[in-house]
Amino acid sequence: DQQVKQNSPSLSVQEGRISILNCDYTNSMFDYFLWYKKYPAEGPTFLISISSIKDKNEDGRFTVFLNKSAKHLSLHIVPSQPGDSAVYFCAASEGGGSNYKLTFGKGTLLTVNP
Amino acid sequence: NAGVTQTPKFRILKIGQSMTLQCTQDMNHNYMYWYRQDPGMGLKLIYYSVGAGITDKGEVPNGYNVSRSTTEDFPLRLELAAPSQTSVYFCASSYPNSYTEAFFGQGTRLTVV
Repeated sequence: DQQVKQNSPSLSVQEGRISILNCDYTNSMFDYFLWYKKYPAEGPTFLISISSIKDKNEDGRFTVFLNKSAKHLSLHIVPSQPGDSAVYFCAASEGGGSNYKLTFGKGTLLTVNP
Repeated sequence: NAGVTQTPKFRILKIGQSMTLQCTQDMNHNYMYWYRQDPGMGLKLIYYSVGAGITDKGEVPNGYNVSRSTTEDFPLRLELAAPSQTSVYFCASSYPNSYTEAFFGQGTRLTVV
């Protein structure tokens, strides 16, 4: 049973446009959500996070939105750049953000075309 | 800074062989983890440790063992390699605070034939 779902395996956008990556979850106990970015042959790197007490968190070009009632979060990248091309993983944890049990989605491959 | 370092980067094992995947971190993190990523799938937690001498099972622990004798090191042991253990293995570490991120190593690509 997949508790974190990224239903789009891939997404292609033009440079300069907005990229929107979506993530749904089923476990209502999740209270901390993270996005990781992964390039080929490298480990995931942390991008941005949000706790369940917020509905939005911004960091430069990256914004994460959380809709708890819909159990949905999204990552917006504006403007998208070719260097953003990577696999993006959504992850979640419960228990006050105790992150030793992160549950990951399958990832979305983002391609930003010049 | 080195961060989280994994060795080896690649390895081919024969069925039934054993090996140890090494992981060390220099950030003085209490928490360490082992994840595996199968093709087209997300990362799944194998084992984790909240400090030296303390380890616990994650979602997919069967076929693996771990130990944590120091804060820095968290090796993962495969005793009898099976084709189902062909995967990319990631070690990670984090502070013991709430609402913080984990830092990942570059991964070990293991093939069991």
